Amino acid sequence: AQSVTQLDSQVPVFEEAPVELRCNYSSSVSVYLFWYVQYPNQGLQLLLKYLSGSTLVESINGFEAEFNKSQTSFHLRKPSVHISDTAEYFCAVTYTGGGNKLTFGTGTQLKVEL
Amino acid sequence: SQTIHQWPATLVQPVGSPLSLECTVEGTSNPNLYWYRQAAGRGLQLLFYSVGIGQISSEVPQNLSASRPQDRQFILSSKKLLLSDSGFYLCAWSGAADEGTQYFGPGTRLLVL
Repeated sequence: AQSVTQLDSQVPVFEEAPVELRCNYSSSVSVYLFWYVQYPNQGLQLLLKYLSGSTLVESINGFEAEFNKSQTSFHLRKPSVHISDTAEYFCAVTYTGGGNKLTFGTGTQLKVEL
Repeated sequence: SQTIHQWPATLVQPVGSPLSLECTVEGTSNPNLYWYRQAAGRGLQLLFYSVGIGQISSEVPQNLSASRPQDRQFILSSKKLLLSDSGFYLCAWSGAADEGTQYFGPGTRLLVL
C-alpha cells in the first residue's frame, strides 16, 4: 500500500518570496503523483501531475514540482508567491493500474503575508 | 465539458437524524465516482468509490452508506447521524483514461449538533 507524507502542516511566507512545500511518498510500485489546491470552502482543484516522462512538471500559475524517484519525493515550488496563492495544498499518489484511487497527504496550509 | 455538482452546500442536522447528500456529473459517461470526508487537519479520507451503477466499494466501516442509482449520480446516506459525522464531504469523478486524475465537486459542509 502507498502512503503520502506532508511534514509541514503550515508554511507562512512573505509575498514575492520563494516557497517549497514538501511531499514524500511510499510505494513499492510505479506511481502517478499529483498536487491539488483547495481554497477556503471549496473543492480541490488539480494543480499539476506527474505521470511519466520529464520529471519536472509545471502548472499554468507558476508552480512546479519535481519527481525524484531515489528520494521518493514530489516537492512543490514557486519562485515568487502571491497573496492569491494562500490556500491548502494536498499531495496525492496512486499506483499504475490502481483503478484511479488516490491516497492523499494531510495537506499544507500556505499563508502568504504582505 | 464536464461538470460536477453537489448539494446541499451546507447542512445542519441533529444527532440521530437521517442524511442524504447528492452528487451528479455532467458531460461524461461511466465515470468512476468517489466520496471523501475532510476533517480539519486530517486530509481527505476516502469513504466510498464506485466503478458503475450499483457497484459500491466501502473503504472505511462506519454508519454511512452510498448508492449509485444512475450512471452519473452518487448518493451518500446515513440512517442516524453521529456527532463525529460532521465534516466537509467531497464528491469526485474520474474517467477510465484519466490515469488517476480526479475532479472534485464544490463540497457539502455538514454540521451535526
